[in-house]
Amino acid sequence: DTAVSQTPKYLVTQMGNDKSIKCEQNLGHDTMYWYKQDSKKFLKIMFSYNNKELIINETVPNRFSPKSPDKAHLNLHINSLELGDSAVYFCASSPFVGLEQFFGPGTRLTVL
Amino acid sequence: AQSVTQLGSHVSVSEGALVLLRCNYSSSVPPYLFWYVQYPNQGLQLLLKYTTGATLVKGINGFEAEFKKSETSFHLTKPSAHMSDAAEYFCAVGPDKLIFGTGTRLQVFP
Repeated sequence: DTAVSQTPKYLVTQMGNDKSIKCEQNLGHDTMYWYKQDSKKFLKIMFSYNNKELIINETVPNRFSPKSPDKAHLNLHINSLELGDSAVYFCASSPFVGLEQFFGPGTRLTVL
Repeated sequence: AQSVTQLGSHVSVSEGALVLLRCNYSSSVPPYLFWYVQYPNQGLQLLLKYTTGATLVKGINGFEAEFKKSETSFHLTKPSAHMSDAAEYFCAVGPDKLIFGTGTRLQVFP
């Protein structure tokens, strides 16, 4: 059973489109995260939700909107995609804030 | 505020040699420290963590790290490298949110 899963694994789209990435965890964790990993492997947190409540909102363009319908799911919607949005996006979860995080396999987004 | 510095973006060792990956941190609160490994085209996997207690922590795959408060370091070691250890390694500091270092690519030569 996959602990943290993401769909899709690959996403290729044109500039200006809107796309969503879905994340689900079956670990019973309270906290979920979205990270962006750029082409140089630099990993930066974007958002964090604790029990469906947004607790971390880093300096991210407001074209990015996270949504947590329940504790087990955290989705990321991106409007008006730009070339610079091309990256690998990772979802992660932890039992609660501060503990070790478990990462999903990533979604490689390519904007053409 | 917290930050992490990983010294050396690339480290190369021979199979069977000692692996040493360096991590220094800065934190205004007692830190939680983590090492993660990322294999090509995969997510990050936790190797080991330090929160409180024993300063020498053992992780998976024979890795260990020692928390040294006086040196603000949390270096990762493995006595004998294996070809399968070739990957990207990330040090991270918490507790509120994880701040990751820039990563160190470990190459292992036969």
